[in-house]
Amino acid sequence: AQKITQTQPGMFVQEKEAVTLDCTYDTSDPSYGLFWYKQPSSGEMIFLIYQGSYDQQNATEGRYSLNFQKARKSANLVISASQLGDSAMYFCAIRSGGQGGSEKLVFGKGTKLTVNP
Amino acid sequence: AAGVIQSPRHLIKEKRETATLKCYPIPRHDTVYWYQQGPGQDPQFLISFYEKMQSDKGSIPDRFSAQQFSDYHSELNMSSLELGDSALYFCASSAAEAGPRGNQYFGPGTRLLVL
Repeated sequence: AQKITQTQPGMFVQEKEAVTLDCTYDTSDPSYGLFWYKQPSSGEMIFLIYQGSYDQQNATEGRYSLNFQKARKSANLVISASQLGDSAMYFCAIRSGGQGGSEKLVFGKGTKLTVNP
Repeated sequence: AAGVIQSPRHLIKEKRETATLKCYPIPRHDTVYWYQQGPGQDPQFLISFYEKMQSDKGSIPDRFSAQQFSDYHSELNMSSLELGDSALYFCASSAAEAGPRGNQYFGPGTRLLVL
């Protein structure tokens, strides 16, 4: 079974500063994917960034980067130059194993990020 | 680009009523996943379909059933609704050939309120 742990229920950051959201995972599958989603108060799940278990380099997508430490089973999200619009709930998720439709996502409890002006 | 479509977006039902949620995946996506997100909770996997067959099952109550049709759209049927069924229901689609590396694309969700 897969498990995601997000230990920060809430985080605060000043506008234009960087912030790191923590995520640790547990899985026995050698091949897996790690995802980060943003959920604003409106409710939609917005895909931010993906890291594959065999990827050699840390993933980056614009202001988002993923600090992937495989040996420590951590996949922290780094948001640079925070903006007010970054205020939202952030979920880390893992997807592994299975075939043809069995690769469900397992989510962590989420971190609520508040960006202060 | 086409996204996942869910209908209705909002639904209000009374206890013991039934509800049907619909999901239209991204064209050429053959896999559909349903998730339930209670207030202040993380999304929980309910059920998935691949090529119109159930492929995995999570914490879905027996009162719920789902299927995927020949055009790949999916419907989640919920009967004998309870107050605790009030939640945001997401549908996500993906292409199975992408495997665990493939992204799941989420629809906007259906917000169900049971009174």
